[in-house]
Amino acid sequence: AQSVTQLGSHVSVSEGALVLLRCNYSSSVPPYLFWYVQYPNQGLQLLLKYTSAATLVKGINGFEAEFKKSETSFHLTKPSAHMSDAAEYFCAVTEAGGTYKYIFGTGTRLKVLA
Amino acid sequence: SAVISQKPSRDICQRGTSLTIQCQVDSQVTMMFWYRQQPGQSLTLIATANQGSEATYESGFVIDKFPISRPNLTFSTLTVSNMSPEDSSIYLCSANSYNEQFFGPGTRLTVL
Repeated sequence: AQSVTQLGSHVSVSEGALVLLRCNYSSSVPPYLFWYVQYPNQGLQLLLKYTSAATLVKGINGFEAEFKKSETSFHLTKPSAHMSDAAEYFCAVTEAGGTYKYIFGTGTRLKVLA
Repeated sequence: SAVISQKPSRDICQRGTSLTIQCQVDSQVTMMFWYRQQPGQSLTLIATANQGSEATYESGFVIDKFPISRPNLTFSTLTVSNMSPEDSSIYLCSANSYNEQFFGPGTRLTVL
């Protein structure tokens, strides 16, 4: 069975500081991994995805994530936080070549302090 | 990519009534899904909408409560039946295209 754990339901960073949102997964088969962002009262937008190509994945808005199989992690980072990054971030996993059912983490709400 | 629209965007309903949510994709897709996002929580998969056959429901969700239709490769509906305040949530439609899942904007349902 697949599962996703996001450590920290709320994360606060200062504007210009490093953003690090943690995601660990559990999967018995090679996974595909995703990060989505949800702004208030909006739908989900894909930030980036890992589908077994390069382990360091670059996404939109300056975000990137690194797939580390040995740590079963897929943490999301951004070198310098911007006020507009304040949102809810969801990590998701699905089975590579499988049913395409996504399992979502519980989400991390990012707050950016001026 | 796939662009997904949902109708209605929001609704306020009375206890005991039913609401049907429509989901339209701008291209043909194999897989369509319905999720629920309760206030302040993550997304929970309700069911996979199968074209031409009965939907596949996840544990905790049943067809009598959440009947789903999928008449073709671009359209699906989710009905929330005999609603109670506990059904107040955002309901999202999604579709898989080229190993990426796209989401509709959601339908915000409030049950009084």
